Amino acid sequence: QQPVQSPQAVILREGEDAVINCSSSKALYSVHWYRQKHGEAPVFLMILLKGGEQKGHDKISASFNEKKQQSSLYLTASQLSYSGTYFCGAKVESGGSNYKLTFGKGTLLTVNP
Amino acid sequence: DAMVIQNPRYQVTQFGKPVTLSCSQTLNHNVMYWYQQKSSQAPKLLFHYYDKDFNNEADTPDNFQSRRPNTSFCFLDIRSPGLGDAAMYLCATSSAPRGPPWETQYFGPGTRLLVL
Repeated sequence: QQPVQSPQAVILREGEDAVINCSSSKALYSVHWYRQKHGEAPVFLMILLKGGEQKGHDKISASFNEKKQQSSLYLTASQLSYSGTYFCGAKVESGGSNYKLTFGKGTLLTVNP
Repeated sequence: DAMVIQNPRYQVTQFGKPVTLSCSQTLNHNVMYWYQQKSSQAPKLLFHYYDKDFNNEADTPDNFQSRRPNTSFCFLDIRSPGLGDAAMYLCATSSAPRGPPWETQYFGPGTRLLVL
């Protein structure tokens, strides 16, 4: 079952902040965040492996609450280049010590001048 | 630069006419994945190879097949494309079998398939 992302879409002015949330009904072993621009491949942003882990990438950071099976992506002082669709990928167990990456439906972020 | 390459970037085919999409990688990764992504939807895993070991997702239609002749190349064959198969097809690679939590997948630019 795919993780649930919210909001579905967000529009910002350059310099504003945004938070994108991702939650799973199954136990999360890791969370992967990707950004995809229109017509292009998803680009890997970061992976969070441990409960409570937080990571940063320029002004984009993320947290992972393992107990709540949730992750949040924080975009600070947004730039025009941040525009795109953000996907969270949930790594869940698929049986036999195998794991599977399942993506949420994505959050469309638009940053305007 | 090491990368994942997909050809062609755009493919137009006719209803029912077989079509093959290709993916190559210079990362020397063991695992190659094929995803289908329809407009405004999440990428959906069709199948993956770990080396030559093929792993099909339970809900992937029989119409979709794949071949991996060597480490670098992987092909997606759609035997009889229907209108519902129009989508972006993404190839991804990773270095880890069984998809452990720390595994990162690297995506190619995708092939957009149009079925007329």
